[in-house]
Amino acid sequence: DQQVKQNSPSLSVQEGRISILNCDYTNSMFDYFLWYKKYPAEGPTFLISISSIKDKNEDGRFTVFLNKSAKHLSLHIVPSQPGDSAVYFCAASWGAGTALIFGKGTTLSVSS
Amino acid sequence: GAGVSQTPSNKVTEKGKYVELRCDPISGHTALYWYRQSLGQGPEFLIYFQGTGAADDSGLPNDRFFAVRPEGSVSTLKIQRTERGDSAVYLCASSLGGQGPSYEQYFGPGTRLTVT
Repeated sequence: DQQVKQNSPSLSVQEGRISILNCDYTNSMFDYFLWYKKYPAEGPTFLISISSIKDKNEDGRFTVFLNKSAKHLSLHIVPSQPGDSAVYFCAASWGAGTALIFGKGTTLSVSS
Repeated sequence: GAGVSQTPSNKVTEKGKYVELRCDPISGHTALYWYRQSLGQGPEFLIYFQGTGAADDSGLPNDRFFAVRPEGSVSTLKIQRTERGDSAVYLCASSLGGQGPSYEQYFGPGTRLTVT
């Protein structure tokens, strides 16, 4: 039973436009959420995170929004660039130092 | 600085054989994690070390899997009597622990294990 779900396996966006990647979770005990980016043959790279006490965190072109009542978070990339093409994983944690629970990932393709 | 390194990058073994996968965490990171990623899936947690001890091994699938971290730095994941279903990418991650445990985990490139 998946506790973290990424229901869109893939997303295609044109360069310069906004990319929105979505993630849903079922466990209300999660208190921290993270996004990772993964290129082929590499390990996941930490991108951005958000604590459950916040509803928004921004870092350059990347913004993560958290809606606790809906158990939903999203990653916005503006503007999208071809180099952003990768698999994006949403992950959740219920305490610092504990295991991360990952979704299945969304493959983002940004065309120029 | 150096990131998490894992060796070997690829390992092909025959069913029933024993394998060891090695992980070198980021210097100064006291927490170390092993995950397994199968095709089309996200990483799945296996085991977590804080220092030398296994703080959580609830993700190990069965007693064929074992991991050690004898000096609190390098860790080895050991798989006995390998099965074809063990084929996956094995990922290692590390993070700050100790007095200030961190949520962010930093991953190595992984070891792709193929059991024939």
